[in-house]
Amino acid sequence: GAGVSQTPSNKVTEKGKYVELRCDPISGHTALYWYRQSLGQGPEFLIYFQGTGAADDSGLPNDRFFAVRPEGSVSTLKIQRTERGDSAVYLCASSLMGQGNTGELFFGEGSRLTVL
Amino acid sequence: AQSVTQLGSHVSVSEGALVLLRCNYSSSVPPYLFWYVQYPNQGLQLLLKYTTGATLVKGINGFEAEFKKSETSFHLTKPSAHMSDAAEYFCAVRGETSGSRLTFGEGTQLTVNP
Repeated sequence: GAGVSQTPSNKVTEKGKYVELRCDPISGHTALYWYRQSLGQGPEFLIYFQGTGAADDSGLPNDRFFAVRPEGSVSTLKIQRTERGDSAVYLCASSLMGQGNTGELFFGEGSRLTVL
Repeated sequence: AQSVTQLGSHVSVSEGALVLLRCNYSSSVPPYLFWYVQYPNQGLQLLLKYTTGATLVKGINGFEAEFKKSETSFHLTKPSAHMSDAAEYFCAVRGETSGSRLTFGEGTQLTVNP
């Protein structure tokens, strides 16, 4: 398909374990965003990539969270020493950037993380 | 910095009735404004957006919204609700700077009663 793809769709892990969540953006989209959505709340910004570099990582809650995008396409969100409070749906979005672009974000279906 | 307030976490209407979902924003720069819809177990889908120009914008599925700068509002409306409109709706704002993040409201759950 041509949309944003996220894997896994569901992940159950135990407290203290390491987790990786993957995002494959729409081909040609240079901007990539990670958001976190807790139950009953709106998406909260985590990090934004322009190409390979993190242009804004101010939303990462602490140093247990890290994200990479080594080739400017696929991105991986990494969570170390998971805690129960990390349980949420992690959303990835991508966007076309450039002069005159309105920056509409196209979202994937999310990865639901449950930490037991 | 930007912020969004959605008044009413739950709105319930009868099928065929007017839908009105309220959104107020705060922005230190001219805003771009968006409404997204989220159906159960699905990703966010763009309904409509305001960037520049005409303040009344039309979106998919018969929805529209009006940007009112004096009221810092961007309320979402639909003249006649359909059962399939039941979903969660999110208002979002971003600044003009290319690449700046979207800031979302807390969402409004719309229920449509037969």
